[in-house]
Amino acid sequence: AQKVTQAQTEISVVEKEDVTLDCVYETRDTTYYLFWYKQPPSGELVFLIRRNSFDEQNEISGRYSWNFQKSTSSFNFTITASQVVDSAVYFCALSLSSNDYKLSFGAGTTVTVRA
Amino acid sequence: KAGVTQTPRYLIKTRGQQVTLSCSPISGHRSVSWYQQTPGQGLQFLFEYFSETQRNKGNFPGRFSGRQFSNSRSEMNVSTLELGDSALYLCASSLDDRSYEQYFGPGTRLTVT
Repeated sequence: AQKVTQAQTEISVVEKEDVTLDCVYETRDTTYYLFWYKQPPSGELVFLIRRNSFDEQNEISGRYSWNFQKSTSSFNFTITASQVVDSAVYFCALSLSSNDYKLSFGAGTTVTVRA
Repeated sequence: KAGVTQTPRYLIKTRGQQVTLSCSPISGHRSVSWYQQTPGQGLQFLFEYFSETQRNKGNFPGRFSGRQFSNSRSEMNVSTLELGDSALYLCASSLDDRSYEQYFGPGTRLTVT
């Protein structure tokens, strides 16, 4: 069975601060995919990134960066110089090739960026 | 390219009634998945359809059912509604049955009174 844990329930920062969201996953499969989704108040889940289990390279996309470490089963997400528009719930998710790729989500972290 | 569309966006039903939600995937996408989101249970997988066949099912009672049409549009049905069925129901589409990238619709907010 697979599991995704997002220990941080809520994070509040002031604009321009950096914020790091933690994600720890559990699986016995060797082939899996990790995702981050953003859910703004409108409700629609917005895809941010996908990473497969064989690619441990960190990735940067604008103000977003991701740190994937298999040794600690973590896939953390950092927003640099946060903005008010970054306020949302962020979900980490895991899918397994052995389970037909259905997504298992963490509980989500609510990020509030104050002006 | 149009995104995933879901109708209706909001729905209020009474306990015991049944409800049908609709999802139109991105053009060309053949796989449709449904998720339930509640404050208590978070995001939970309901089922997935590909080429009109249910391929995967989550741990939900038989009151929850779905189907997919030949044009890949999908419907989800909940019979004998309970208060606990109040949730945001999200639909996601992906290109094929082995695609790991799912695109979500805005959801249908169902309130059961």
